[in-house]
Amino acid sequence: GAVVSQHPSRVICKSGTSVKIECRSLDFQATTMFWYRQFPKQSLMLMATSNEGSKATYEQGVEKDKFLINHASLTLSTLTVTSAHPEDSSFYICSALDPRDYPYEQYFGPGTRLTVT
Amino acid sequence: AQSVTQPDIHITVSEGASLELRCNYSYGATPYLFWYVQSPGQGLQLLLKYFSGDTLVQGIKGFEAEFKRSQSSFNLRKPSVHWSDAAEYFCAVGAPLNFGNEKLTFGTGTRLTIIP
Repeated sequence: GAVVSQHPSRVICKSGTSVKIECRSLDFQATTMFWYRQFPKQSLMLMATSNEGSKATYEQGVEKDKFLINHASLTLSTLTVTSAHPEDSSFYICSALDPRDYPYEQYFGPGTRLTVT
Repeated sequence: AQSVTQPDIHITVSEGASLELRCNYSYGATPYLFWYVQSPGQGLQLLLKYFSGDTLVQGIKGFEAEFKRSQSSFNLRKPSVHWSDAAEYFCAVGAPLNFGNEKLTFGTGTRLTIIP
């Protein structure tokens, strides 16, 4: 089956610094990836849709200058949280569409726990 | 816009007992429906999905779900739960008209606790 990885699995950073999270499709090429945010004991909220070679589409209320998304290749999308603050602490999960499936199915990464101190 | 409601925030079931988790959706046409399971601190694993055809869908780990259009429901069932089934369960709906750019809307989740 399709596998999606995320790195790092956990990261702690100081307030004001930036942190990058990587999302990789390991055995397929993903033209579309998604980034979600999940607060403790809550559901997943879609932050943005990332398409290879084009700008990401952000959901309403998500600051594009704060959450920079780059989908530079068919197997890698990155989310950079810029000038992080404690309120950015959350669980970030990515998913990728496998175009070999029909209808397309999202495969999820294991998530990244971000803690901003 | 589509939406998903999972009315039960937390359910406790005895090991070996049957399980039903409820999911209601709102969408103008027949949606794509999914059930995912999430263990603590982990990503999501797909249990099953419905796109069309037979309304009773079989998934992994002994789970099944039934699509009922008249009730706008897609409830998840398992005849006999195991302690390893303790986790968070999410129902999700996707819009089938946007191929290649599916956006999923998730319910708020149901936390399942298994007691001996």
